[in-house]
Amino acid sequence: QSALTQPASVSGSPGQSITISCTGTSSDVGGYNYVSWYQQHPGKAPKLMIYEVSNRPSGVPDRFSGSKSGNTASLTISGLQAEDEADYYCSSYTSSSTVVFGGGTKLTVL
Amino acid sequence: EVQLVESGGGLVKPGGSLRLSCAASGFTFSSYSMNWVRQAPGKGLEWVSSISSSSSYIYYADSVKGRFTISRDNAKNSLYLQMNSLRAEDTAVYYCARGRRWLTAAFDIWGQGTMVTVSS
Repeated sequence: QSALTQPASVSGSPGQSITISCTGTSSDVGGYNYVSWYQQHPGKAPKLMIYEVSNRPSGVPDRFSGSKSGNTASLTISGLQAEDEADYYCSSYTSSSTVVFGGGTKLTVL
Repeated sequence: EVQLVESGGGLVKPGGSLRLSCAASGFTFSSYSMNWVRQAPGKGLEWVSSISSSSSYIYYADSVKGRFTISRDNAKNSLYLQMNSLRAEDTAVYYCARGRRWLTAAFDIWGQGTMVTVSS
């Protein structure tokens, strides 16, 4: 199972919006509405930010939103804040009943 | 407080074995699927294995199939990962994570991780 494809890095200024893409295949991202997004700060455990494509767990700011079109899922962060600077990973359920992660995207807040 | 605490990591020689444990507290452990996810130094996240709430269903990544065994003891609120025939490429921080719903790739609670180093 190949990793999902994410851009290595994205950047934005405080207050701006950014979008991180996550591209898979019809056997994972495109086949199920089971895409999640995680935020990971250096030296910390990942934190679930979005589940089932577009749902936010309790406590996650509504600045974070998710969507999907075909084999590509997206995470959008609006109103960027300094504390949003972190690594972001997508994941998807697959047709083999396994889970696949993306390679990760480093978000820099300028 | 909902919490997962991993233990059992350390330095092991190639070909050796190690057993990781994950102690859960603050939630009804027996109602949730559980998972192991690892992260090699400076690399991304890699899913390792999942086990259903009653241990009826178990899945592994191809990279560990036949070498690693996931198990759980609901009476002890504990998750385990038995790792045999360890290789250098198994060096990573190993996280246990709670599944929000079975087979949805959503892991909503994570432990702090335990480091496994495979080196001679």
